[in-house]
Amino acid sequence: AQKITQTQPGMFVQEKEAVTLDCTYDTSDPSYGLFWYKQPSSGEMIFLIYQGSYDQQNATEGRYSLNFQKARKSANLVISASQLGDSAMYFCAMREGASTGGYNKLIFGAGTRLAVHP
Amino acid sequence: ETGVTQTPRHLVMGMTNKKSLKCEQHLGHNAMYWYKQSAKKPLELMFVYSLEERVENNSVPSRFSPECPNSSHLFLHLHTLQPEDSALYLCASSQGPGTNEKLFFGSGTQLSVL
Repeated sequence: AQKITQTQPGMFVQEKEAVTLDCTYDTSDPSYGLFWYKQPSSGEMIFLIYQGSYDQQNATEGRYSLNFQKARKSANLVISASQLGDSAMYFCAMREGASTGGYNKLIFGAGTRLAVHP
Repeated sequence: ETGVTQTPRHLVMGMTNKKSLKCEQHLGHNAMYWYKQSAKKPLELMFVYSLEERVENNSVPSRFSPECPNSSHLFLHLHTLQPEDSALYLCASSQGPGTNEKLFFGSGTQLSVL
C-alpha cells in the first residue's frame, strides 16, 4: 500500500486565488513528520513547510499553510494568493517514526503539477 | 554558492560506460542522500550516509555504487547501466538528528542511458 497518496496529478489556479493540494498518508506509528516540497522546472526540490504528528496547531510559513487532519490522515497544502512563480510540481513526504541514526528517511508521494494562470 | 551542488547537470552514457555523479554540500550537514526520480514515479530513496557511514541501501542494484569520502562529498559511481536507469538523480543533505530536520536538495543530474 502507498504510504503517501496525492490524488491530483494536475491542478490549475488563477493568479491571486488560493489553492489546496491534497495529501493523505498511511502509518501506524504515532510519531511521524510531514513535509511539503516544491520542484520547479530547474529540478531542485525546495522545502516549503513541516508538520509534526504531535504538533497541536497547523503549520504556516508565509503564504503556505498545512491543513493537518490527524484522524483523517490528511495533510493538505494550502497556497494563498497564488503567484505565477508558484507553477511547479509539489510533493508531499513523510518521515515515519522518530528520527534516529542522525538522518531523516523521507517517503514521497507522486506529486501534483500546479499551473498558475494569469 | 548554493547549499547542495550536483555535477554534471546532464549526462548521456552508453550501457558499457563508467561514469560518476558528484554531490557537494556547503551546509555543514552530517547526512547525505541519493534519490532517484523516474518519470511518473515517486522519488525513490537509494542510499543514505550518516557521518560518512552508509546506513541505508534500499535494494539498489550493484551497478550503482555510492561513495562518501567525507561529510561534504557524495559520489554515485555508475557502470553497465540499463536504459531503465535513465532518470533524474537527486542528492540531498540534512543536519540530523532531529524530528523536523528537512532535507536540502541539489538540482539533480539528468541521466540518459542509451
